[in-house]
Amino acid sequence: QKEVEQDPGPLSVPEGAIVSLNCTYSNSAFQYFMWYRQYSRKGPELLMYTYSSGNKEDGRFTAQVDKSSKYISLFIRDSQPSDSATYLCAMSGNYGQNFVFGPGTRLSVLP
Amino acid sequence: ETGVTQTPRHLVMGMTNKKSLKCEQHLGHNAMYWYKQSAKKPLELMFVYNFKEQTENNSVPSRFSPECPNSSHLFLHLHTLQPEDSALYLCASSQDSQRQGNNEKLFFGSGTQLSVL
Repeated sequence: QKEVEQDPGPLSVPEGAIVSLNCTYSNSAFQYFMWYRQYSRKGPELLMYTYSSGNKEDGRFTAQVDKSSKYISLFIRDSQPSDSATYLCAMSGNYGQNFVFGPGTRLSVLP
Repeated sequence: ETGVTQTPRHLVMGMTNKKSLKCEQHLGHNAMYWYKQSAKKPLELMFVYNFKEQTENNSVPSRFSPECPNSSHLFLHLHTLQPEDSALYLCASSQDSQRQGNNEKLFFGSGTQLSVL
């Protein structure tokens, strides 16, 4: 079983739609959860950072963590064409444990 | 100016060439990383340096040789590469790699797109 699983897509939605991106993981030691956005020919950019279970909201973006199900989500409201990118989930545990990344989901928001 | 700068942006090299990738961070961080990104695969951690000391070598072939002269600069020396080494090579930095998990965040450069012919 892969440590972090993520549907690679591509996912195409119309402008204004609510987008749901998800990752599942197997290591119960993970406590810190991140979402990165990567535009074509660019490096990943940190979008959201959460600790343990719960929700975090930042503008149109909401990150959810359900540690009991080992499942994390990123919701994008009122999606825009500029949101078209690859979204990577990442997670880490305690001190000294390296970040582990999912393979990314490619999202296209169509005008 | 971005926090993490990588040069060159693109590199084409033959299997017998020697080349180097350069990374510089302006964030005052103490940890620097090399990652390999291949199509549809998760980011692969290659090397980690913390306070200039190498703390992680993730079973990387010896044809990849990192160098970290100070906390702001990181190099990846390439020699006798194979076509399967073609990928996007990403440099990243964080405050302290031994504190990963304790509000540690990775900041990436734009990467070097490497093609080995």
